[in-house]
Amino acid sequence: KAGVTQTPRYLIKTRGQQVTLSCSPISGHRSVSWYQQTPGQGLQFLFEYFSETQRNKGNFPGRFSGRQFSNSRSEMNVSTLELGDSALYLCASSLRTSNEQFFGPGTRLTVL
Amino acid sequence: AQSVAQPEDQVNVAEGNPLTVKCTYSVSGNPYLFWYVQYPNRGLQFLLKYITGDNLVKGSYGFEAEFNKSQTSFHLKKPSALVSDSALYFCAVRDKDTDKLIFGTGTRLQVFP
Repeated sequence: KAGVTQTPRYLIKTRGQQVTLSCSPISGHRSVSWYQQTPGQGLQFLFEYFSETQRNKGNFPGRFSGRQFSNSRSEMNVSTLELGDSALYLCASSLRTSNEQFFGPGTRLTVL
Repeated sequence: AQSVAQPEDQVNVAEGNPLTVKCTYSVSGNPYLFWYVQYPNRGLQFLLKYITGDNLVKGSYGFEAEFNKSQTSFHLKKPSALVSDSALYFCAVRDKDTDKLIFGTGTRLQVFP
């Protein structure tokens, strides 16, 4: 089975721009979660989707949004980028929300 | 609120020696606990989990973890460390109220030859 894939792997943007990151879960997995990883804050939960519905949301501003499609693929969008948004964004999928999560390689976003 | 703590930022161990990476938890009720490993420029890889049952859980790559309810700990262990085990290790707990996975701050394991 193919693992979780994330595109793009690397991204460079400037302040004020917006960005869309994509995540394809493992086939059959219906739950997708997003995390932000930075050296200072560690792993911070962004949101979780299950069957196209957002089930959980972390403590991030409204500039961070996401969605899930009927094929379980998920996207997250960050608008009006700030320097502090530079991070590794990780996507994880699982069969159900209570199972162990399988992570993708991440998208490294750099905001200049 | 559920939480996990990893008291050590870094653990250094010689190759061939046993290793322990510590994790303590704070939860209400029975915890769902996980260990993940992250190699440089990679996502997290699942190592093992404790849901219920035996207190000693065996996982991938020869790792195991011991669930200790009285000490609220879930330490990761390996009898003989390899240089290739050098990575960042995360303990996590699933918050049963929200189903969120809450991660510790991570412990960097350095195994030197």
